[in-house]
Amino acid sequence: DIQMTQSPSSLSASVGDRVTITCRASHDINNYLAWFQHEPGKAPKSLIYAVSTLQTGVPSRFRGSGSGTDFTLTISSLQPEDFATYYCQQYNTYPLTFGGGTKVEI
Amino acid sequence: QITLKESGPTLVKPTQTLTLTCSFSGFSLSSSSVGVGWIRQPPGEALEWLTLIFWTDDKRYSPSLKSRLTITKDTSKNQVVLTMTNMDPVDTATYFCARWGYGSGAYYPDYWGQGTLVSVSS
Repeated sequence: DIQMTQSPSSLSASVGDRVTITCRASHDINNYLAWFQHEPGKAPKSLIYAVSTLQTGVPSRFRGSGSGTDFTLTISSLQPEDFATYYCQQYNTYPLTFGGGTKVEI
Repeated sequence: QITLKESGPTLVKPTQTLTLTCSFSGFSLSSSSVGVGWIRQPPGEALEWLTLIFWTDDKRYSPSLKSRLTITKDTSKNQVVLTMTNMDPVDTATYFCARWGYGSGAYYPDYWGQGTLVSVSS
């Protein structure tokens, strides 16, 4: 199985801050990497697929980058609605696997 | 607008079989380039992918759970059903269904349901 390692597991930030979350795959995943956002009790929301392609309707302050095994999600200016948990996921190889999540707190 | 909603029992006993239904709208599983799958998250733990069915009826299963899982689709009802046999307390989790869309060469989960918590206890 491909292991997905996210860091940090949590972070504290303020509105307006730039936030960076990293995700490392144990093997090359051919850039089949997605990011999504989850708030408790709500449906997870897809943000980015194929490393850097924004899902329709996702604000441009979200940016994905990276290649091979190392990937980054950047939120350029944190907004109040961005406080949530973020996950990366590889969909290159079965079984599909997820990172452990990064909780972004105020 | 694409929506998915999970339904099923909130409590099952050990050794019982769990049946969950994912009811969706805004797309059809008879259309090309789409799939529906299941993911679960035990309390305080990581997300775990379980299974996926495509519009072609092609199916994929997590190797660690393959012997216990079955996924089926009913395109006329816009539903996907997950069955998991021989439930154990470690299977206590929130179960999510998600649509898999196609983009940039592969399928990825693009819309999710809000999940349903299933507890396993006698």
